Amino acid sequence: GNSVTQMEGPVTLSEEAFLTINCTYTATGYPSLFWYVQYPGEGLQLLLKATKADDKGSNKGFEATYRKETTSFHLEKGSVQVSDSAVYFCALTRGNQGGKLIFGQGTELSVKP
Amino acid sequence: DAGVIQSPRHEVTEMGQEVTLRCKPISGHNSLFWYRQTMMRGLELLIYFNNNVPIDDSGMPEDRFSAKMPNASFSTLKIQPSEPRDSAVYFCASSLYGMGQDTGNTIYFGEGSWLTVV
Repeated sequence: GNSVTQMEGPVTLSEEAFLTINCTYTATGYPSLFWYVQYPGEGLQLLLKATKADDKGSNKGFEATYRKETTSFHLEKGSVQVSDSAVYFCALTRGNQGGKLIFGQGTELSVKP
Repeated sequence: DAGVIQSPRHEVTEMGQEVTLRCKPISGHNSLFWYRQTMMRGLELLIYFNNNVPIDDSGMPEDRFSAKMPNASFSTLKIQPSEPRDSAVYFCASSLYGMGQDTGNTIYFGEGSWLTVV
């Protein structure tokens, strides 16, 4: 079946450090891939997405590239801020499954000043 | 534009009581999803509707849970009777979905209903 695996958290970084959160997926065909972010006490917000191989999604300094050869969609940011502290979810959808999102387990990021 | 609107935001209820969670999807969206989030199980899809019709309810944990979508602008998730293990955050989400295509349509989430059953 379709699934998403993320690196386990929590991840603790100092401000201005480089961030990588690994995400790999298992899916038939060509899924669309997403990163969602959840700030404390809030719902999930779309951070970025990519719909085909080699696409790069980017937003707010975050970026991720759809790598079909490695079935990966790693999230990166060059310089994190305290305000980036949140839980990050990698997810995929498949067209023949009604557009429903299949989520990874989430990775908590804590950025210290 | 208004996003997905959920109510109540917070609910504390006693075991055995009926709980009704409500959702108004984004106008024009044709797919609606109910997710549950817990520390132990993460984000789980409970049920989703397309054009008001339930498509997949395999994630509904048991018969105590039921969901309806009487029209394109409203959905409910009911738990009757509620139990302490139902305590979780329940998210409603919606999207404009093109059937049979990987269009990458974004799914938009509400702020969640934080349920505590004591």
